[in-house]
Amino acid sequence: KAGVTQTPRYLIKTRGQQVTLSCSPISGHRSVSWYQQTPGQGLQFLFEYFSETQRNKGNFPGRFSGRQFSNSRSEMNVSTLELGDSALYLCASQSLAGAPDTQYFGPGTRLTVL
Amino acid sequence: AQSVTQPDIHITVSEGASLELRCNYSYGATPYLFWYVQSPGQGLQLLLKYFSGDTLVQGIKGFEAEFKRSQSSFNLRKPSVHWSDAAEYFCAVGAQTGANNLFFGTGTRLTVIP
Repeated sequence: KAGVTQTPRYLIKTRGQQVTLSCSPISGHRSVSWYQQTPGQGLQFLFEYFSETQRNKGNFPGRFSGRQFSNSRSEMNVSTLELGDSALYLCASQSLAGAPDTQYFGPGTRLTVL
Repeated sequence: AQSVTQPDIHITVSEGASLELRCNYSYGATPYLFWYVQSPGQGLQLLLKYFSGDTLVQGIKGFEAEFKRSQSSFNLRKPSVHWSDAAEYFCAVGAQTGANNLFFGTGTRLTVIP
């Protein structure tokens, strides 16, 4: 089975722009979660989608949004980029909603905001 | 609220030596616990997990971890470290509330010297 894929792997944007990141979960997995990883804050949960619905959201401003499609692929969007949004964005897929289950992570998208 | 503490930011061991990485969690009920490993520029790879049952769990690459409820700990161990084990290790706790988000520790960076 193919793993979680994320595109693009690297992005460079300037302040004020917006960006869209994509995640394709493992085949058959219906839950997708997004995390932000920075040296200062570590790994922080952004949000989770299941069956095209946002089930859970972390403590991030409204500039961060996401969606999930009927094929379980997910996108996250960051509008009005700030320098502090520079991070590794990780997507994780899980077969079902609700614990317990294992989250499998993709390689991440490295976003640099200049 | 859940939280995870990894007291050691950086550990250096000699190749062939034993390893123990510490993890303490805070959670009101029985937690779901995970250890992930991250190589530079990569996503997170699951090493092992604890949901219930036997408190000593075996993982990939020769790693094991022991859940100790009385100490709120889930320490990761390996009897003989290989140079390829050099990476960053993250302990994470998941909730039983039906939400899928994980709470991560700040990570422990492992350096292996020949």
